[in-house]
Amino acid sequence: KQEVTQIPAALSVPEGENLVLNCSFTDSAIYNLQWFRQDPGKGLTSLLLIQSSQREQTSGRLNASLDKSSGRSTLYIAASQPGDSATYLCAVSEVPGTYKYIFGTGTRLKVLA
Amino acid sequence: EADIYQTPRYLVIGTGKKITLECSQTMGHDKMYWYQQDPGMELHLIHYSYGVNSTEKGDLSSESTVSRIRTEHFPLTLESARPSHTSQYLCASSDHYLSYGYTFGSGTRLTVV
Repeated sequence: KQEVTQIPAALSVPEGENLVLNCSFTDSAIYNLQWFRQDPGKGLTSLLLIQSSQREQTSGRLNASLDKSSGRSTLYIAASQPGDSATYLCAVSEVPGTYKYIFGTGTRLKVLA
Repeated sequence: EADIYQTPRYLVIGTGKKITLECSQTMGHDKMYWYQQDPGMELHLIHYSYGVNSTEKGDLSSESTVSRIRTEHFPLTLESARPSHTSQYLCASSDHYLSYGYTFGSGTRLTVV
């Protein structure tokens, strides 16, 4: 059974720091991986989607990488800002096509001004 | 603009009442999902649908029921609300192959008193 783990569970950094959030999964046979952001009491906002054939995706200050063979993905946030404070979730979809995501437990990020 | 909408955004209701949480999407997606999330906790899949007249129970047992009579509409119903149903309910949709990942609604925060 696929399990998704995110480390660290919580992270507090000063504004301007570059940071890395980690996501690991136990079964490397994934279809794709999606990173989300969730603000308190709100829904999930999609940040980046990486297909199984891709190594990385970039959007603005965000860069997500995928290493299927080792069961890992990282989300890199450059020059962090207080507005980046949120919970970040990764989710993997499995092969064959159950076409559902399995979510990690999330990393709660706080960027201090 | 293609999107996914959940109403109401917040709901406070008394024990024993029947409630329906609405979820609609304008993207023509085949697949729709309901997740339940307690504050600070993981997302749990409670229902999903692969298309019209298709509904399945998710990984977490729920006393709620769902229907999918139209592609764009996936309402969730609680016949008799209890305080244990207090939670946030998140609706998501995707195309058949998760080509673009999940799109989430803003969520409904339900409080049963």
